[in-house]
Amino acid sequence: AQSVTQPDIHITVSEGASLELRCNYSYGATPYLFWYVQSPGQGLQLLLKYFSGDTLVQGIKGFEAEFKRSQSSFNLRKPSVHWSDAAEYFCAVGAHRDDKIIFGKGTRLHILP
Amino acid sequence: DADVTQTPRNRITKTGKRIMLECSQTKGHDRMYWYRQDPGLGLRLIYYSFDVKDINKGEISDGYSVSRQAQAKFSLSLESAIPNQTALYFCATSGSGGDQETQYFGPGTRLLVL
Repeated sequence: AQSVTQPDIHITVSEGASLELRCNYSYGATPYLFWYVQSPGQGLQLLLKYFSGDTLVQGIKGFEAEFKRSQSSFNLRKPSVHWSDAAEYFCAVGAHRDDKIIFGKGTRLHILP
Repeated sequence: DADVTQTPRNRITKTGKRIMLECSQTKGHDRMYWYRQDPGLGLRLIYYSFDVKDINKGEISDGYSVSRQAQAKFSLSLESAIPNQTALYFCATSGSGGDQETQYFGPGTRLLVL
């Protein structure tokens, strides 16, 4: 069955520290992978996506993610977080010409001053 | 102006009432989706539509219905609202071309059923 797992419900980091949010997926086909961010009171905004090619993907707001097929992972990273990065982050998986994508349950990121 | 808009942004209703949530998009996308978000459960797909004549049930369609009035409009109805339908509802769109897998979201409608 297709699934997306985000093992961490909450993560707290200090402002300026590095960040890694984990995402593991189970998908029969070659996956398309996404990270979305939801700021408080807002809709979901696409941070980055992986379809093919270079497994290290750059996104907006200084985020990047690395696709590791052998580990079925697509972890999101940022070298130095800012207070404005406090939000909920969703990993999602789909496939080429598939009719829908599947979302993880989200990781809420808290930033300490 | 936002590409995907939802109305209303907030709604309080009573058990048993019929309500409609509306979604409009100016992206020219063929595909539209309705999700609900509950704390700790992420987003779950309610219904989706690939064009005006195509409507499909998602993971949790019971208690909901939809109408695709035009390419740009996709409405979600709760025929008889119940308290466990209290949630944040999102509309999303995607194209049918090379980037059809990427979904773009509206700002959400927060619904409270008393």
